[in-house]
Amino acid sequence: EDKVVQSPLSLVVHEGDTVTLNCSYEVTNFRSLLWYKQEKKAPTFLFMLTSSGIEKKSGRLSSILDKKELSSILNITATQTGDSAIYLCAPSRGYQKVTFGTGTKLQVIP
Amino acid sequence: DAGVIQSPRHEVTEMGQEVTLRCKPISGHDYLFWYRQTMMRGLELLIYFNNNVPIDDSGMPEDRFSAKMPNASFSTLKIQPSEPRDSAVYFCASSPPGQGNSPLHFGNGTRLTVT
Repeated sequence: EDKVVQSPLSLVVHEGDTVTLNCSYEVTNFRSLLWYKQEKKAPTFLFMLTSSGIEKKSGRLSSILDKKELSSILNITATQTGDSAIYLCAPSRGYQKVTFGTGTKLQVIP
Repeated sequence: DAGVIQSPRHEVTEMGQEVTLRCKPISGHDYLFWYRQTMMRGLELLIYFNNNVPIDDSGMPEDRFSAKMPNASFSTLKIQPSEPRDSAVYFCASSPPGQGNSPLHFGNGTRLTVT
């Protein structure tokens, strides 16, 4: 059975702080790892990672995959209140078979 | 692009009643997924379709749950009879062709409450 563990489960930081969210996985026939952000409604796509060691960046967010350690991290620098959300890690074994972690709930306070 | 459209947004029903959730995927997407989200278990895949054909329904919790996709632009998830433990947010998602490696596009979900 596929397993995904995210840590921490929840986090409260002040605006301007930098945060690192962790994801570890055990997935048969791993193909890629996706990160999603979920605010009040639907999860929205952030990153897809397929190769180890290659950082993907989008503004203040960045993510990297370590296939040897079966893990990924999501970094957010200079956090803003709009970053408050649940961040979901989702390893995929292709054919659209995606397993979601339970997420890290991030709260950014002014 | 209107995105994935789900209806209804909220559904409150009594135990034992039939519930039907509806989904319209993004045009051109050939994968469709039904997920259920609860605080305890997070997002769980129930079933997914490719080109209107069910591919994997191993996540469907029991025979009370059924899903259909009669055409490329419509899918339903039915629960009959409903039970209080079915209370959750049900998401539909679709994705384009892409060797099984494309991100999912989620609808806004249906919040189901069974009393």
